[in-house]
Amino acid sequence: AQSVTQLDSQVPVFEEAPVELRCNYSSSVSVYLFWYVQYPNQGLQLLLKYLSGSTLVKGINGFEAEFNKSQTSFHLRKPSVHISDTAEYFCAVSGDTGGFKTIFGAGTRLFVKA
Amino acid sequence: EAGVAQSPRYKIIEKRQSVAFWCNPISGHATLYWYQQILGQGPKLLIQFQNNGVVDDSQLPKDRFSAERLKGVDSTLKIQPAKLEDSAVYLCASSLASAGLNTDTQYFGPGTRLTVL
Repeated sequence: AQSVTQLDSQVPVFEEAPVELRCNYSSSVSVYLFWYVQYPNQGLQLLLKYLSGSTLVKGINGFEAEFNKSQTSFHLRKPSVHISDTAEYFCAVSGDTGGFKTIFGAGTRLFVKA
Repeated sequence: EAGVAQSPRYKIIEKRQSVAFWCNPISGHATLYWYQQILGQGPKLLIQFQNNGVVDDSQLPKDRFSAERLKGVDSTLKIQPAKLEDSAVYLCASSLASAGLNTDTQYFGPGTRLTVL
């Protein structure tokens, strides 16, 4: 069975500091990987996705993620965070076989402090 | 471009009552999803439509939940009767489904927060 584990439920960080949000997945088939962000009282919004090709993926708002097949990870990074990055971040996985629905992790709450 | 619209935004009901949620996807999006997001968890897919056909409803509690997308555009999700454990945010999302279902970006609505007392 496929699964997604977000290793940190909450990550507090000071403004302008770097941040890494960790995501590990398990799957027996080739995967597609996503990071979504959810701001308070809003729906989820795509930050970036990995489908194929370069393992370093750049997204919106200065975020990037690296696909590591050997470690089955897809960690999200930003070199310098802003107060406005405070939100819930979800890692998600889908597969290239029929019937493989998108599975979301439990989320990581990023809290940026001044 | 208008986003995914959902209504109502909030709903409070008592257990054993029924409730319905409405979703209007982005124009031209063939695929529509309903997710349940319980507090502290990630979204869980309840049902996925491709146009007006069901692609996946394996996690939909069919004894109490139903969903339809009659004309391949907007959709309703109904719970009857509601239980306490149905308290959650119900998210609707849509995708273009032009490049393949599993690679598509999903666009989410703001959700309906349901509280069952």
